[in-house]
Amino acid sequence: GQQVMQIPQYQHVQEGEDFTTYCNSSTTLSNIQWYKQRPGGHPVFLIQLVKSGEVKKQKRLTFQFGEAKKNSSLHITATQTTDVGTYFCASRDDKIIFGKGTRLHILP
Amino acid sequence: EAQVTQNPRYLITVTGKKLTVTCSQNMNHEYMSWYRQDPGLGLRQIYYSMNVEVTDKGDVPEGYKVSRKEKRNFPLILESPSPNQTSLYFCASSYQAREYEQYFGPGTRLTVT
Repeated sequence: GQQVMQIPQYQHVQEGEDFTTYCNSSTTLSNIQWYKQRPGGHPVFLIQLVKSGEVKKQKRLTFQFGEAKKNSSLHITATQTTDVGTYFCASRDDKIIFGKGTRLHILP
Repeated sequence: EAQVTQNPRYLITVTGKKLTVTCSQNMNHEYMSWYRQDPGLGLRQIYYSMNVEVTDKGDVPEGYKVSRKEKRNFPLILESPSPNQTSLYFCASSYQAREYEQYFGPGTRLTVT
């Protein structure tokens, strides 16, 4: 079945450094959704990308969908302590396939 | 307030004792789904429902049952729980399938001894 591979599994950064997580699929994705889960919390929707090559920004967060619609990335510029958590990508048709997530730790 | 609620939030039970985790949403969403979250494995879909009386298997349906008799409710049933079903469970809903964001409940931490 369809799989969505997400890397890295963990990332430690100094506060103020940038952070990127990547999702890859061997098959073309209809769309890609990104979620954030704070420690002890539940996943919260961040954004959805649908079009080939699409780029969307939310303040310090930049989301990209690859031209072939097989990969996506989330980039955070100048991380802050509020960015701590696990970031998940998800491929959404009738079924939903999540990547395993990237856990972001911020070192003060 | 628009929300997804789950009950109970925490549950410790013994092998073989049937249990139900309830899920309810007040947003008139058609799509509802159950996930389990395990360390290192991310979120895995157990079952989903496109609408009332329509349910389908996700990636890890073995050992679980669901029903969708009303639009707002989507209970998860473990007929004979086993220790490998110890996990954190999330219910989620969205307006429809495909290109709609999901709203997640707060989670149910289940321990089966």
